[in-house]
Amino acid sequence: SQKIEQNSEALNIQEGKTATLTCNYTNYSPAYLQWYRQDPGRGPVFLLLIRENEKEKRKERLKVTFDTTLKQSLFHITASQPADSATYLCALYSGSARQLTFGSGTQLTVLP
Amino acid sequence: DGGITQSPKYLFRKEGQNVTLSCEQNLNHDAMYWYRQDPGQGLRLIYYSQIVNDFQKGDIAEGYSVSREKKESFPLTVTSAQKNPTAFYLCASSPSTGGTQPQHFGDGTRLSIL
Repeated sequence: SQKIEQNSEALNIQEGKTATLTCNYTNYSPAYLQWYRQDPGRGPVFLLLIRENEKEKRKERLKVTFDTTLKQSLFHITASQPADSATYLCALYSGSARQLTFGSGTQLTVLP
Repeated sequence: DGGITQSPKYLFRKEGQNVTLSCEQNLNHDAMYWYRQDPGQGLRLIYYSQIVNDFQKGDIAEGYSVSREKKESFPLTVTSAQKNPTAFYLCASSPSTGGTQPQHFGDGTRLSIL
């Protein structure tokens, strides 16, 4: 069956360090992968989209990689700040399913 | 400001009661979606609509119903047939249903059982 796994439910890092979040998938052939940020009691907010033929995408302090051989995406936040503390969700879109499927998220806490 | 408005923020349902969650968008998007979020789980798709007067079942449509009579509005009814309705419900929209389209979310409705 199709499955999306995001690394450990919670990740704590020190302010200023780089946070790396992992999204692994099985039994998918995603055409696109999206990352969202969700704050408590709020809806997710779109951050980045990467296509299957793109290796890397950057936006300010954010970087996403997409390795279709490893079936994995990595999401990096450089120079992390306490304001980056939130839950980060990856979502895969496959042409066959024609819908976005979300992972369960990783809760990131950046400690001052 | 354009966006998605969900109401109410909190909703309580009695046994055997149907309740309707409101979702309105002013982004002029064709596609709209309803998701359910349970603690520790990803968002699960309930229903989606690609265009007015059309909607499709998602992965967990049983016990739910929707309508799409206007482009801006996509209400979700949680029927008494849904035996475990307690969850956080999120509405989203996008210009179309393609994979390159980011989804814009409302701030959710938290439904609980009395």
